[in-house]
Amino acid sequence: AQSVTQPDIHITVSEGASLELRCNYSYGATPYLFWYVQSPGQGLQLLLKYFSGDTLVQGIKGFEAEFKRSQSSFNLRKPSVHWSDAAEYFCAVGARNNDMRFGAGTRLTVKP
Amino acid sequence: ETGVTQTPRHLVMGMTNKKSLKCEQHLGHNAMYWYKQSAKKPLELMFVYSLEERVENNSVPSRFSPECPNSSHLFLHLHTLQPEDSALYLCASSQDPDLGYTFGSGTRLTVV
Repeated sequence: AQSVTQPDIHITVSEGASLELRCNYSYGATPYLFWYVQSPGQGLQLLLKYFSGDTLVQGIKGFEAEFKRSQSSFNLRKPSVHWSDAAEYFCAVGARNNDMRFGAGTRLTVKP
Repeated sequence: ETGVTQTPRHLVMGMTNKKSLKCEQHLGHNAMYWYKQSAKKPLELMFVYSLEERVENNSVPSRFSPECPNSSHLFLHLHTLQPEDSALYLCASSQDPDLGYTFGSGTRLTVV
């Protein structure tokens, strides 16, 4: 079965600085990969997804992620972080059998 | 509002009570899910319904009982819960696993 690891539990960046959140996956076939964001007291919102084609995918809110098969990674990036980006971010790997596995999440704090 | 509505938003119940969580989607999706989100743990998939039939039950205790009367509604019936069942319960729906899931805002459950 597929699995996801997010190595960083908590990251703090200054507003305006660049951001990279790490995600590593394990799956035997070509995975479907997702990043979600969760604000306090809310559900998860889909930021972007990858399942084929261009390995650099663009999402909402200025986020992008790059699929690197050789590294089994799907890291999330943003060139300039805004205070409103403070939230919990989840990487997920899906399969055709409706079994999506989530990482433990990375909490992002943005310093003024 | 994401298109997936969960009620109630908050619920406090005693260990001997019986209550139900409700999830509703009018996105035309054909699969619905219950997830449990506990502090510092990955999201746990509890139940999957596809075309109103349960396709997965991840060894969830019998004190949790799902019901999917039609493709737009999903319930989670609760009885004789334990304090460790306190968590955020998230409902999600999807039309195709490739496209990701749409999540509701969750029900914050506290068992006392």
